[in-house]
Amino acid sequence: SYELTQPPSVSVSPGQTASITCSGDKLGDKYACWYQQKPGQSPVLVIYQDSKRPSGIPERFSGSNSGNTATLTISGTQAMDEADYYCQAWDSGYVFGTGTKVTVL
Amino acid sequence: EVQLVESGGGLVQPGGSLRLSCAASGFTFSSYEMNWVRQAPGKGLEWVSYISSSGSTIYYADSVKGRFTISRDNAKNSLYLQMNSLRAEDTAVYYCARVHGGTELDYWGQGTLVTVSS
Repeated sequence: SYELTQPPSVSVSPGQTASITCSGDKLGDKYACWYQQKPGQSPVLVIYQDSKRPSGIPERFSGSNSGNTATLTISGTQAMDEADYYCQAWDSGYVFGTGTKVTVL
Repeated sequence: EVQLVESGGGLVQPGGSLRLSCAASGFTFSSYEMNWVRQAPGKGLEWVSYISSSGSTIYYADSVKGRFTISRDNAKNSLYLQMNSLRAEDTAVYYCARVHGGTELDYWGQGTLVTVSS
């Protein structure tokens, strides 16, 4: 079965850039999307179709996808961005990444 | 405003059954594909099942195939998940989620907790 692998954790200082990777076989041939989930809350879609932002998502969130890796980038990270982030792609079903906890120090 | 409200969760013994519901409002439910996604306590997201807008196409994760049944009633703007032969590993918060255009999920409910324990 298809698997998406993310680093368990990423730490970033306020105002700096956080990059979260998502690795999967030929992931660049599929669309990748990203969800943000804060404690006790439901996931929120922050990037879809590799690099598009839903309405209401700040411009500091951006995405890319090429080869075997999709990347979510948070520029000018704020304290409110501290959350778990999951990538997701379609491969005979919705496949979620292992999740990355972003800590803003 | 798009709203998805799950209900039906609770405590059930191993081998038991439970039926989850998801009430949709704020959009034309019959035009959208829907999913159930679950999250075990302290764990990541796991896709459970998909149903097309008409209900004619259905997919399941291998972990629930043969035990869970997804369905929908477009006249009642509702999505369902019938869960049979429940196991301890089915313990999770179950979310209903709407498909946005392609392969992403743009709206999620608040979730309903299912606990399988004796």
